[in-house]
Amino acid sequence: KNEVEQSPQNLTAQEGEFITINCSYSVGISALHWLQQHPGGGIVSLFMLSSGKKKHGRLIATINIQEKHSSLHITASHPRDSAVYICAVERTSGSRLTFGEGTQLTVNP
Amino acid sequence: NAGVTQTPKFQVLKTGQSMTLQCAQDMNHEYMSWYRQDPGMGLRLIHYSVGAGITDQGEVPNGYNVSRSTTEDFPLRLLSAAPSQTSVYFCASSYFRTGGSPLHFGNGTRLTVT
Repeated sequence: KNEVEQSPQNLTAQEGEFITINCSYSVGISALHWLQQHPGGGIVSLFMLSSGKKKHGRLIATINIQEKHSSLHITASHPRDSAVYICAVERTSGSRLTFGEGTQLTVNP
Repeated sequence: NAGVTQTPKFQVLKTGQSMTLQCAQDMNHEYMSWYRQDPGMGLRLIHYSVGAGITDQGEVPNGYNVSRSTTEDFPLRLLSAAPSQTSVYFCASSYFRTGGSPLHFGNGTRLTVT
């Protein structure tokens, strides 16, 4: 079993829909990252959080440390949100990151 | 700031050839790392560094060497390329122990070994 599991693997939505991507992990962490990988391949950091909730524009990230679970929400989705969304955890021990396999999101107009 | 600059963008090698992937950052980040991304798998850590003169192995270090002579540069060397090293490679940097610091990625290098 992978230490970081994302669901779903693939997600297709219609423009305007509310989207949720989930990330569960099985190790102790000091932080969790949500990343976005564009169709062209570049990776950008969306959020880094260790507790609670963060919001940036139409994106919201939450984390529940006790349940070892995080969610990424996109409100009023748009075709430009189409990308791969990646969850990564930073362990409490060591300097390594462990990545989920990613969620491919396609938003149709 | 240029951020993380990774070169080349594309490379084709023959089996047994050597090459160096370059990575440079201008943000004074202590932590730098190399990942490979293969279809159906998450990013996997090859090597990382927590400061100049300090490097360590990640999950998949075999066939790769690194060095960190300056804070800015973290090159990845393939000494004798193999088809199994065909992949997309990413360099990333952040402040040491990223809790409190987001990751910054280079644009990736698509490597094909024939």
